[in-house]
Amino acid sequence: DVKVTQSSRYLVKRTGEKVFLECVQDMDHENMFWYRQDPGLGLRLIYFSYDVKMKEKGDIPEGYSVSREKKERFSLILESASTNQTSMYLCASSKQGLHEKLFFGSGTQLSVL
Amino acid sequence: EDKVVQSPLSLVVHEGDTVTLNCSYEVTNFRSLLWYKQEKKAPTFLFMLTSSGIEKKSGRLSSILDKKELSSILNITATQTGDSAIYLCAVGETSGSRLTFGEGTQLTVNP
Repeated sequence: DVKVTQSSRYLVKRTGEKVFLECVQDMDHENMFWYRQDPGLGLRLIYFSYDVKMKEKGDIPEGYSVSREKKERFSLILESASTNQTSMYLCASSKQGLHEKLFFGSGTQLSVL
Repeated sequence: EDKVVQSPLSLVVHEGDTVTLNCSYEVTNFRSLLWYKQEKKAPTFLFMLTSSGIEKKSGRLSSILDKKELSSILNITATQTGDSAIYLCAVGETSGSRLTFGEGTQLTVNP
């Protein structure tokens, strides 16, 4: 069964902390994505990656960075967490040629206090 | 700016009812429209509709794309409590890999 695994289901951090959210997929997919989901706003794309060491900004990249050193792993980094980054973070992957069919992880609910 | 609007935002029905969820979009270079079901946390893929495949059906679920009206509907017949979820609509463009998502419709099916 295909799988996208996010390292934490729930995370509580303090303002100003550096936060790492990890995502691993086992499907050999080329594309990986980070979304955040907020009530009333739906899913918004933060960053995505077509290939190892490649990254592209999504619609709301401010305050975030990403790292893709290996094909199966895509990390989201909050350089200095702020309370407005409290959200559900969803990682997804898809294969080249069928990029719209996303496979999602179970999400990380991040609370920044 | 690309836009995807879903309606209604929430819906409560009884088991056995038929429901219709709506999705309208404004995108520059339309390529595809997708429906996802989100139970608990991880959305799962339901359908993808394109110019060459404007109708899809799987069991009690079906979806139609109306390219003229820039919209799609998702129908669920004989609803069950297990259909309770958030249904997400997303649109993909010809340029690039990104999808634009709507807000979602929260469906609750009561026994």
